[in-house]
Amino acid sequence: SQKIEQNSEALNIQEGKTATLTCNYTNYSPAYLQWYRQDPGRGPVFLLLIRENEKEKRKERLKVTFDTTLKQSLFHITASQPADSATYLCALRGAGSYQLTFGKGTKLSVIP
Amino acid sequence: DTGVSQNPRHKITKRGQNVTFRCDPISEHNRLYWYRQTLGQGPEFLTYFQNEAQLEKSRLLSDRFSAERPKGSFSTLEIQRTEQGDSAMYLCASREGLAGGPNYNEQFFGPGTRLTVL
Repeated sequence: SQKIEQNSEALNIQEGKTATLTCNYTNYSPAYLQWYRQDPGRGPVFLLLIRENEKEKRKERLKVTFDTTLKQSLFHITASQPADSATYLCALRGAGSYQLTFGKGTKLSVIP
Repeated sequence: DTGVSQNPRHKITKRGQNVTFRCDPISEHNRLYWYRQTLGQGPEFLTYFQNEAQLEKSRLLSDRFSAERPKGSFSTLEIQRTEQGDSAMYLCASREGLAGGPNYNEQFFGPGTRLTVL
């Protein structure tokens, strides 16, 4: 069966360090993978999209990598700040489907 | 505010009642999605519209759930004979339909409707 796993339910890091979040998937051939941020009581907010033929994408302090051989995406936040504390969700759209499937998310806490 | 809006924001109902939620997408977006999210889980896909056509429904979606988008603008999600297990946040998202646009695959989410079934 198809699975998306975000390995850590929670991650605590010190302010200024780089946070690395992991998303693994099985039995998908994704057209692309997305990362979203969700704050409590709010809808998710889009951050980055990376396509199956791309290895890396950057946006300001954010970086996403995508390894279709390992079936894994890594999401990095450099120089992390307390304001980065939130739940981060990865999501896949499989080829031939309109459906976006989300992982459970990783709750990141950046400690001052 | 030109974002996605959802009404009501909160709904408390008794088991067995019917409820209806409304979603108003970003005006130029022709694609609309409904999701359900429970505590500690990611959003779970329910259904997808392109204009007024419902093109995909989750196989897990009970026949008590129905969604419409009659004029290709706002959408409604109805749950009949609610059960306690229907308690969740119901999220709506929209995205633009013009392939190749800068935000083509980005989904814009509304604030959600939190349903509590007693």
